[in-house]
Amino acid sequence: GESVGLHLPTLSVQEGDNSIINCAYSNSASDYFIWYKQESGKGPQFIIDIRSNMDKRQGQRVTVLLNKTVKHLSLQIAATQPGDSAVYFCAETRATFGDGTTLTVKP
Amino acid sequence: DTAVSQTPKYLVTQMGNDKSIKCEQNLGHDTMYWYKQDSKKFLKIMFSYNNKELIINETVPNRFSPKSPDKAHLNLHINSLELGDSAVYFCASSPSTGGLREQYFGPGTRLTVT
Repeated sequence: GESVGLHLPTLSVQEGDNSIINCAYSNSASDYFIWYKQESGKGPQFIIDIRSNMDKRQGQRVTVLLNKTVKHLSLQIAATQPGDSAVYFCAETRATFGDGTTLTVKP
Repeated sequence: DTAVSQTPKYLVTQMGNDKSIKCEQNLGHDTMYWYKQDSKKFLKIMFSYNNKELIINETVPNRFSPKSPDKAHLNLHINSLELGDSAVYFCASSPSTGGLREQYFGPGTRLTVT
């Protein structure tokens, strides 16, 4: 079946460093991808999205890269802050979510 | 001005009971969803409705029955609750069908079955 998976379940970074969270997908027909952030006790919150006709999209301190050849996307967070500590999910077209990466930012 | 709201936030009940979780969105979206998040944070889609019509029905026990009285509401009714139903249930909405747009999630309902 189709799946979306994250490479690492946990990631710990120092405040101010850049963070990279990776995600792999299996469905070649997926044409839309979303990154969500879920803080403790809350629902997932939209961060940034990208369509399959793009390789890169930038937001405020975040960048998503899409490599359709290897079916991989990544979320880069610049100058990571303690408020970025959360679980991050990638999701694709059919509302299928990856497993989530827990990002911990150390002050 | 809550965009997607769920009630109750916490629900503790015994095995065998029947319970409902309500969801409302005031975003004017056409599509609503129910997700189940287990203790390992894995999010699994259960149902999706577009304009009161069921469009996604993943492999979910038929003890779970969604009901959409109008496009702003999607309630989840669960019969004969089991221990394995304990989880956090999230309602979400999006502007279009099939998950092709970003989803807006409610705060979640933590269901504990004892």
